[in-house]
Amino acid sequence: AQSVAQPEDQVNVAEGNPLTVKCTYSVSGNPYLFWYVQYPNRGLQFLLKYITGDNLVKGSYGFEAEFNKSQTSFHLKKPSALVSDSALYFCAVRVYGTYKYIFGTGTRLKVLA
Amino acid sequence: GAVVSQHPSRVICKSGTSVKIECRSLDFQATTMFWYRQFPKKSLMLMATSNEGSKATYEQGVEKDKFLINHASLTLSTLTVTSAHPEDSSFYICSARAGTPYEQYFGPGTRLTVT
Repeated sequence: AQSVAQPEDQVNVAEGNPLTVKCTYSVSGNPYLFWYVQYPNRGLQFLLKYITGDNLVKGSYGFEAEFNKSQTSFHLKKPSALVSDSALYFCAVRVYGTYKYIFGTGTRLKVLA
Repeated sequence: GAVVSQHPSRVICKSGTSVKIECRSLDFQATTMFWYRQFPKKSLMLMATSNEGSKATYEQGVEKDKFLINHASLTLSTLTVTSAHPEDSSFYICSARAGTPYEQYFGPGTRLTVT
């Protein structure tokens, strides 16, 4: 069965420090992976995706993610966190053979001033 | 580009009534739209996949007679919650698939409260 896991419910980081939000996946076929961010009472905003190509993917707002096939991971990173990055982050994987996504349980990022 | 809107953003209805939520792709044609439900502090649960001109495909455990989905045009899908109950209160989010096949663009969500 295909799945995606976000092992941390919450991540706290000081402003200016690097941040990492973890995601691991289990899929059939080649993985199509996505990161989205959600602010309170809002829909999801696209950050970045991995379909094929370079393992390091750069996205919106200075975020990047590294695809690691051997570890089946797709961790979200940012070199220097901002207080405004505080939000709920979702990792998603495409269900093989469909256009549907499976979402992880979400990680709440809190950047402390 | 690739903007998806939802209307209304918030709705309060009485138990037993029906409520309709609209999802529109504003600047692209969406052959496929998806409806999700999000519980507080929880992930998104896919309810159904909606294809223009055909019946929606519902995920296991989702009552198709309770959550009616219509995708009448390439830019509009509607979700009607029929005979709403307080347990239907939730945040409903739609998304649409545009030309790039594996990306979904999400609407801002609709907060439904059933009293």
